[in-house]
Amino acid sequence: GQNIDQPTEMTATEGAIVQINCTYQTSGFNGLFWYQQHAGEAPTFLSYNVLDGLEEKGRFSSFLSRSKGYSYLLLKELQMKDSASYLCAVRGAGTALIFGKGTTLSVSS
Amino acid sequence: DTAVSQTPKYLVTQMGNDKSIKCEQNLGHDTMYWYKQDSKKFLKIMFSYNNKELIINETVPNRFSPKSPDKAHLNLHINSLELGDSAVYFCASSQVGPGVNNYGYTFGSGTRLTVV
Repeated sequence: GQNIDQPTEMTATEGAIVQINCTYQTSGFNGLFWYQQHAGEAPTFLSYNVLDGLEEKGRFSSFLSRSKGYSYLLLKELQMKDSASYLCAVRGAGTALIFGKGTTLSVSS
Repeated sequence: DTAVSQTPKYLVTQMGNDKSIKCEQNLGHDTMYWYKQDSKKFLKIMFSYNNKELIINETVPNRFSPKSPDKAHLNLHINSLELGDSAVYFCASSQVGPGVNNYGYTFGSGTRLTVV
């Protein structure tokens, strides 16, 4: 079967660093994606990993280990506006993305 | 200028009614999708079309019928609506094929369907 696991909720304070983990078991692997979704809005693309290692993009970084079926999203210098759901998604053998249930991050001052 | 547009944004209807949601993309993508996001925020694939051809048809009641008149449009028709159909429905598009490294989606803004 196909399974993507991530924590349901996380909390952090402004200025801190937070790491959101994602583990996956899928039929085939053609890339892992992270999306951000604010309440009442559509998901927006944050990052894409297809090879092992770290991809850095400003305050956000994403890491992938294909052998471990593991990824994390690292958010640095947290801001209040980073309060949102973070969705881990994997493209398996087909073209569709399979999403995890999302991690709701609450950033407090 | 909206890349993926869905209409309507909100839809409130009674049980047993039939309704449609429309989606259009102007990105030139060749693949479009319908996802359902339930109250727990879980995004689940329903259908996918590539160049007007159905390529993914997940376990969805046959009251749901997608239709793609051309590769820029993917509509969703729902018959005999039930309370459990209440959710946010997202349309998305992507470009797949040789030379494309990142098959990420662009999502529409969603349609919040409430069945009463």
